[in-house]
Amino acid sequence: QVQLVQSGPEVKKPGASVKFSCKASGYTFTTYYTHWVRHAPGQGLEWMGFVNPRGGTKGSADDFQDRVTLTWDTPTRTVYMQVTSLTPEDTAVYYCAREGMPGDKYFDLWGRGTLLTVSS
Amino acid sequence: QSALTQPASVSGSPGQSITISCTGSSSDVGANYHVSWYQQHPGEALKLIVFDVNSRPSGVSNRFSGSKSGNTASLTISGLQAEDEADYYCKAFTGITTAYVFGTGTRVSVL
Repeated sequence: QVQLVQSGPEVKKPGASVKFSCKASGYTFTTYYTHWVRHAPGQGLEWMGFVNPRGGTKGSADDFQDRVTLTWDTPTRTVYMQVTSLTPEDTAVYYCAREGMPGDKYFDLWGRGTLLTVSS
Repeated sequence: QSALTQPASVSGSPGQSITISCTGSSSDVGANYHVSWYQQHPGEALKLIVFDVNSRPSGVSNRFSGSKSGNTASLTISGLQAEDEADYYCKAFTGITTAYVFGTGTRVSVL
């Protein structure tokens, strides 16, 4: 089955870090870019970054470059995103998504999301 | 990079057509044809319904259609059905470091 399975909900205190995972199945992991998007309460969706397992490249949005680390593990077909220095404003649902094919610029497969709550 | 502007809500009766606008700038919506639309039902994963302004993925109803004029993209849902009640988001490719920008989201209600 073609799917992205994300890790479970997280509760963190301000200043802490969190590491999300996104496991791909049903397709050739290295062929596709994987992106991260978040949805904060009352806000729109926000693109955070991407990884390209085949090419070994990655990138993140300007607002997150200092706090986000993107990695992947090809044998387990899993992409990770670590976010540091958490604040309550990071409370959101975090999604991973597959880009159709490199260069397609649309996301044709999404995970169901991981809820992060940041609270003291 | 600012979020693209969508109406907060749009409603219509079954069978009617509705249109959701997505307004950006010459740096995103107006920059290229990489505008896509996503549907999200409560508690479910987002679903791609339109890509490259007006193309539909296999399996998506032809009641969904997209268009673009200048810096504004639009999604039209024709023959509105109860199952179309969901949140809809547009997305544009910017080509810069912050590569993608999303719309603010529109909740569609079927009266």
